[in-house]
Amino acid sequence: DSGVTQTPKHLITATGQRVTLRCSPRSGDLSVYWYQQSLDQGLQFLIQYYNGEERAKGNILERFSAQQFPDLHSELNLSSLELGDSALYFCASGESSYNEQFFGPGTRLTVL
Amino acid sequence: AQSVAQPEDQVNVAEGNPLTVKCTYSVSGNPYLFWYVQYPNRGLQFLLKYITGDNLVKGSYGFEAEFNKSQTSFHLKKPSALVSDSALYFCAVRAPLTGGGNKLTFGTGTQLKVEL
Repeated sequence: DSGVTQTPKHLITATGQRVTLRCSPRSGDLSVYWYQQSLDQGLQFLIQYYNGEERAKGNILERFSAQQFPDLHSELNLSSLELGDSALYFCASGESSYNEQFFGPGTRLTVL
Repeated sequence: AQSVAQPEDQVNVAEGNPLTVKCTYSVSGNPYLFWYVQYPNRGLQFLLKYITGDNLVKGSYGFEAEFNKSQTSFHLKKPSALVSDSALYFCAVRAPLTGGGNKLTFGTGTQLKVEL
């Protein structure tokens, strides 16, 4: 168990809908990272937050947004969902830029 | 831009034999390298990292990795494979980003299959 929790484990929704994925980092970790894992794209970095502020952006679509709250948990919002958004979404946390990231179990999103 | 290559989609090895999962990288500046393992329907588990120091890094579950700067490689090794080692292995390199952020860039993964 990495200490990173993600909810829900599975999410099934329809095209055009909006969903929110939630992540709680390990105790003491200030950084939260979001990654998307799909068969065709592999593991792709989406966005990083550090202590409530956006720190870095990767291949994140404009339809997607995230935030980190004062208690350090983070939410990833996905809107106007398309079939191609079906993927595993991982949250990771870390205590500093130089150390390893610890991954949560992921949320499997299926868009029908 | 940084990149990671895992040239083998799958590696098959007999239980008890040594295993190697290959990884090469490209990054400007000092590399920060990581290996993760993913079991079916699970998240990624950290195995080991190279930041600086000894080129041979020891990690979890008996795994080790050898950093070779001249060959820009970071191969994962284990002296004696177990059936329970069968999983998907990812090599990753940390890339600093403007604004103080950072991310992990992952390879495409190598499926390790250990057979009796």
